[in-house]
Amino acid sequence: QVQLRESGPGLVKPSQTLSLTCSVSGDSIRRGSYYWSWIRQPAGKGLEWIGRVHSSGTTSYSSPLKSRVSISIDTSENRFSLNLNSVTAADTAIYYCVKGGPVPGKYEYYFDFWGPGTLVTVSS
Amino acid sequence: DIQMTQSPSSLSASVGDRVTITCRASQGIRDDLGWYQQKPGKAPERLIYDAFRLQGGVPSRFSGSGSGTEFTLTISSLQPEDFATYYCLQHNSYPPTFGQGTKVEIK
Repeated sequence: QVQLRESGPGLVKPSQTLSLTCSVSGDSIRRGSYYWSWIRQPAGKGLEWIGRVHSSGTTSYSSPLKSRVSISIDTSENRFSLNLNSVTAADTAIYYCVKGGPVPGKYEYYFDFWGPGTLVTVSS
Repeated sequence: DIQMTQSPSSLSASVGDRVTITCRASQGIRDDLGWYQQKPGKAPERLIYDAFRLQGGVPSRFSGSGSGTEFTLTISSLQPEDFATYYCLQHNSYPPTFGQGTKVEIK
């Protein structure tokens, strides 16, 4: 069974870049040809999809965040990463990395396995 | 974007009660809907996919139904471990969108 785990700084200063990595175990990112997403959740609030990357490297992002976000994948290290620049307090949230399905279209968002999440606070 | 509206936003129930949560989509999404359970401090876990298919390992007291714009998650007999927040997710089209959540509390 695949397992995901987020890692990265828990505190980021306003206007700087939030960078997180998701390490995947139990399956090869390269072999599986899956879609991999980032989702966030501000404290006490709902879930927001940020974007996704395919094992081929193609990406898709949420429209509101598109100008600030970049997601990349490193199949040799079996991990994928999130960069969110020009952060503000509104970006304070728990960030989850999530595995999607292997088929383009609606199955990209077939979120079956989630990492435990990591809290990122934006504050000076 | 497709808006997902859950109701109620919270409910109080007792162990053994039958609980029903509804999710309405702003446009038709066929059966491209999942239900997730989230306990405090934990990541969401998928209970139901394709509107009615039970995720492996999930107790049979959980069931899903619906298609198009109206969906329901039912817990047939609420257990102590079921007190949590539940979210629906539509994955019919970009971007995927979640309902706002339904918090199930102990009466």
